Amino acid sequence: DAGVIQSPRHEVTEMGQEVTLRCKPISGHDYLFWYRQTMMRGLELLIYFNNNVPIDDSGMPEDRFSAKMPNASFSTLKIQPSEPRDSAVYFCASSFSGLSYSNQPQHFGDGTRLSIL
Amino acid sequence: KNQVEQSPQSLIILEGKNCTLQCNYTVSPFSNLRWYKQDTGRGPVSLTIMTFSENTKSNGRYTATLDADTKQSSLHITASQLSDSASYICVVSGNDMRFGAGTRLTVKP
Repeated sequence: DAGVIQSPRHEVTEMGQEVTLRCKPISGHDYLFWYRQTMMRGLELLIYFNNNVPIDDSGMPEDRFSAKMPNASFSTLKIQPSEPRDSAVYFCASSFSGLSYSNQPQHFGDGTRLSIL
Repeated sequence: KNQVEQSPQSLIILEGKNCTLQCNYTVSPFSNLRWYKQDTGRGPVSLTIMTFSENTKSNGRYTATLDADTKQSSLHITASQLSDSASYICVVSGNDMRFGAGTRLTVKP
């Protein structure tokens, strides 16, 4: 099992550019999560999907952020236009279950380190 | 105020020693509490998951306890190893997911 695969591992771009982060979840997992981690705010849940359908996007910071899951094996998180305050590590995770009433672990990718200049 | 408070913020111990990390929460309703280990530059890895009815759960040298009445959890690491150096994050789920800021553990030889 290859685990959750994220790309790119590092991204450096200028303010105003569009950024697309990619995630391939573990095969068979029906939940996919996007997180952001910064020193100041720690880990934050941005959005999660169940069976490719967005369930809760209340953590998405603003309209510049969007996420899609066109099929069970691929998801993207897009920022357009990007701003310096978007600099963070973005993690994708997948699991067999959602947030509550579950004993199933979430499996995280190794993240994309995003720097907006 | 964060609904999940972890202590200490950081901890340094000698290899072979035991240590205990704390997680206090005010999240309600409560569904489950998870402990994650995060190595530098890597994604978090699940150590334990406990639901309301579980008091203790072990994963090798890691033992988590949960007191749902006092809303406290601890993660005990036995016979620490250099590879235990990492951040340990407590996550509590109820209607949503709340994250602790983590404890940074350093194990020195």
